[in-house]
Amino acid sequence: DIQMTQSPSTLSASVGDRVTITCRASQSISIGLAWYQQKPGKAPNLLIYKASSLESGVPSRFSGSGSGTEFTLTISSLQPDDFATYYCQQYNSYSWTFGQGTKVEIK
Amino acid sequence: EVQLVESGGGLAQPGGSLRLSCAASGFTFSTYEMNWVRQAPGKGLEWVSYMSSTGNTIHYADSVKGRFTISRDNAKNSLYLQMNSLRVEDTAVYYCARTRAFVPFEYWGQGTLVTVSS
Repeated sequence: DIQMTQSPSTLSASVGDRVTITCRASQSISIGLAWYQQKPGKAPNLLIYKASSLESGVPSRFSGSGSGTEFTLTISSLQPDDFATYYCQQYNSYSWTFGQGTKVEIK
Repeated sequence: EVQLVESGGGLAQPGGSLRLSCAASGFTFSTYEMNWVRQAPGKGLEWVSYMSSTGNTIHYADSVKGRFTISRDNAKNSLYLQMNSLRVEDTAVYYCARTRAFVPFEYWGQGTLVTVSS
């Protein structure tokens, strides 16, 4: 199975900060990568698909980039609603796998 | 409005069985691929199983292969997960999730909690 490794595991930031989360795949997954946001007690919410395509309705401060084995999720200006856990997920080949998550906390 | 509503969770003993259901509404269920994804308490997300719109293609995570069976009834707009030989490590919230082209998990249900304990 393809392993997905996110860094950092936890990130402390302030409102207005630019935040970057990295996701690395154990082998090339082309652009078969998605990013999700999850808040406590809620289902995940899709943010980005095909590595850099913004899902409809998602604020433009979220962006994704990368291909092959290295990917990033960037929040250009962190808002109070953005404090949550973020997961990357590869869907280039089965079994589909998730990163371990990055918790974005208030600094 | 797309809605996915899971049910059937609860307490089961190790070695026991449970059947989860996911009722879909607000879209043409028979034309979408569907999945089950789970999340153990305080842990990350794990994809469990996939089924194509017609049911002809199925995939399972290695952790559940041979124990879980995904199925669907397009006439009833429903997705199912039959879970047999349950283990303590199967304890999790189970979500059903819709797939669209190039998007693995577009919509999610609210989840149903499965607890496996003696």
